[in-house]
Amino acid sequence: DAGVTQSPTHLIKTRGQHVTLRCSPISGHKSVSWYQQVLGQGPQFIFQYYEKEERGRGNFPDRFSARQFPNYSSELNVNALLLGDSALYLCASSLWAQNTEAFFGQGTRLTVV
Amino acid sequence: TQLLEQSPQFLSIQEGENLTVYCNSSSVFSSLQWYRQEPGEGPVLLVTVVTGGEVKKLKRLTFQFGDARKDSSLHITAAQPGDTGLYLCAGASGSYDKVIFGPGTSLSVIP
Repeated sequence: DAGVTQSPTHLIKTRGQHVTLRCSPISGHKSVSWYQQVLGQGPQFIFQYYEKEERGRGNFPDRFSARQFPNYSSELNVNALLLGDSALYLCASSLWAQNTEAFFGQGTRLTVV
Repeated sequence: TQLLEQSPQFLSIQEGENLTVYCNSSSVFSSLQWYRQEPGEGPVLLVTVVTGGEVKKLKRLTFQFGDARKDSSLHITAAQPGDTGLYLCAGASGSYDKVIFGPGTSLSVIP
């Protein structure tokens, strides 16, 4: 059974551009969470979606948005990219909304130049 | 605001040595997870502890949850180079609460 898959694995964007990152959860998992991990730090929570509804949001600006589709896959969108948005973006899936045991994808490495 | 602190931040030891890393908070967590992350990869779940005072063993790794459910430790016996990585603790305080990650302990085991 496939684990959590994220695409693309690497991405280079210019300041001011928009980016869309994609995530497919483990089959049967209904909750998807997004994290930003800057080099040398732990993952920072961005969003959680469960059954296509937003269940939680971290301290990120409105430039960050996300959605979950009927098949439970998810997209993270970031507008007006800044240099500081450069990071590893991680998607995690879990069975339920109480995502105490999360399974992570390999991440998308975003570089903003 | 919930915060998780981890110590030490960096640890470099020789193969065969024992080590303990710590995860502390002023908040009570309903459960706490330990993950290991290798460079360029996502974190991999090692264990979940939910009961105060709980001890779980995973081969050479021993995890303990504090009685008050505010802290946890990870002890590795006879460390091996394959144990090298970033060890992250993460806690959740209740239903639908976001999971908070600590900053991690970067472990390097030298052959």
